[in-house]
Amino acid sequence: KNEVEQSPQNLTAQEGEFITINCSYSVGISALHWLQQHPGGGIVSLFMLSSGKKKHGRLIATINIQEKHSSLHITASHPRDSAVYICAVRGGGGTDKLIFGTGTRLQVFP
Amino acid sequence: DAGVIQSPRHEVTEMGQEVTLRCKPISGHNSLFWYRQTMMRGLELLIYFNNNVPIDDSGMPEDRFSAKMPNASFSTLKIQPSEPRDSAVYFCASSLARLAGGPLPDNEQFFGPGTRLTVL
Repeated sequence: KNEVEQSPQNLTAQEGEFITINCSYSVGISALHWLQQHPGGGIVSLFMLSSGKKKHGRLIATINIQEKHSSLHITASHPRDSAVYICAVRGGGGTDKLIFGTGTRLQVFP
Repeated sequence: DAGVIQSPRHEVTEMGQEVTLRCKPISGHNSLFWYRQTMMRGLELLIYFNNNVPIDDSGMPEDRFSAKMPNASFSTLKIQPSEPRDSAVYFCASSLARLAGGPLPDNEQFFGPGTRLTVL
């Protein structure tokens, strides 16, 4: 079993829909990252969080440390949101090592 | 700032050849990471440095892989000899890690554009 599990693996939506991507992990962590990888291959960090909730524009990330679960929400989705979204966790003990989920491929159609 | 710079962007080589990938981190960052991405295994950490010192190289596949960071502004990842199964996209990332006794920074990692390696 992977230490970081994402669901769903693939997601198709119509423009304007509310999107939720889930991430569950089985190890102790100091932080969780959400990354976005565009079709061209570039990787951008969206959020880093260790508790609660963060919001940036139409993106919202939440984390529940007790349940070892995080969600990434996209409100009013747009075709330009089409990308692979990757969850990654940073372990405890002062390490900077990230363990990655396998990613969720999102396609938003007009 | 230009962000993390990687070169070359694409590399095609033949099995058995030596391959050297290069990375220039963001100025002022003190941590540097090398990742490999394949369809089968996704993103994996190969090695990371903190203040030019290798901290965790547990992800380096085997002795054919080596990484160096001679100074704060340059790192290399070398594969010798290369094999077809090394074909992947290799990403370099940098971040500002916490200094001893200092405030806890975001630790956000900034990724380079990647080097797509094809070994024939």
